Amino acid sequence: DAKTTQPPSMDCAEGRAANLPCNHSTISGNEYVYWYRQIHSQGPQYIIHGLKNNETNEMASLIITEDRKSSTLILPHATLRDTAVYYCIVRVAGLYGSSNTGKLIFGQGTTLQVKP
Amino acid sequence: KAGVTQTPRYLIKTRGQQVTLSCSPISGHRSVSWYQQTPGQGLQFLFEYFSETQRNKGNFPGRFSGRQFSNSRSEMNVSTLELGDSALYLCASSLEPGLGTEAFFGQGTRLTVV
Repeated sequence: DAKTTQPPSMDCAEGRAANLPCNHSTISGNEYVYWYRQIHSQGPQYIIHGLKNNETNEMASLIITEDRKSSTLILPHATLRDTAVYYCIVRVAGLYGSSNTGKLIFGQGTTLQVKP
Repeated sequence: KAGVTQTPRYLIKTRGQQVTLSCSPISGHRSVSWYQQTPGQGLQFLFEYFSETQRNKGNFPGRFSGRQFSNSRSEMNVSTLELGDSALYLCASSLEPGLGTEAFFGQGTRLTVV
């Protein structure tokens, strides 16, 4: 699985957009980009994932560069409850029956601190 | 729809003992994965089960084992506990380990070995 690089920490003002970058320069063609976050002492929470197109859901937007070597998670209007560790993961998602399709490799993530 | 349920939430064991942790996935989910989280090593993959078969295993000693039942519930066992096994053990479930499916995590079991 490809390795990801994220800044260790970021601050964001409440109500502003939080843009969390992730580098995954060795990503393969069949690897998806996933984002999870973990609020203190809770299990990680799925946010969003994508392959090559930009994706948006009720929580966030995911922007993947055309060469797929990096991506940005955008929280459009950060709140204090968005303070968490954010993990960018690239994961092989092959067809049913192949190996390495469920495993998530977590890096150290980015600690996002949303400030009032 | 109930989420992923892990029991117990907290556990204190003595060195040398063994422990069994339980995970009930979201209804309809057939894939279960286990992770260990410690302050020093972060979140590390332990193993993954689908249709009662272990599909993938992380780099952990043989003292760590698991199983999955026909109803998709899973258990993990750690034998001969060591102080370093103190950690948050997380279980994640997904529909199946297929194309682009997301995993949902439980709240974890906090294991303390004394």
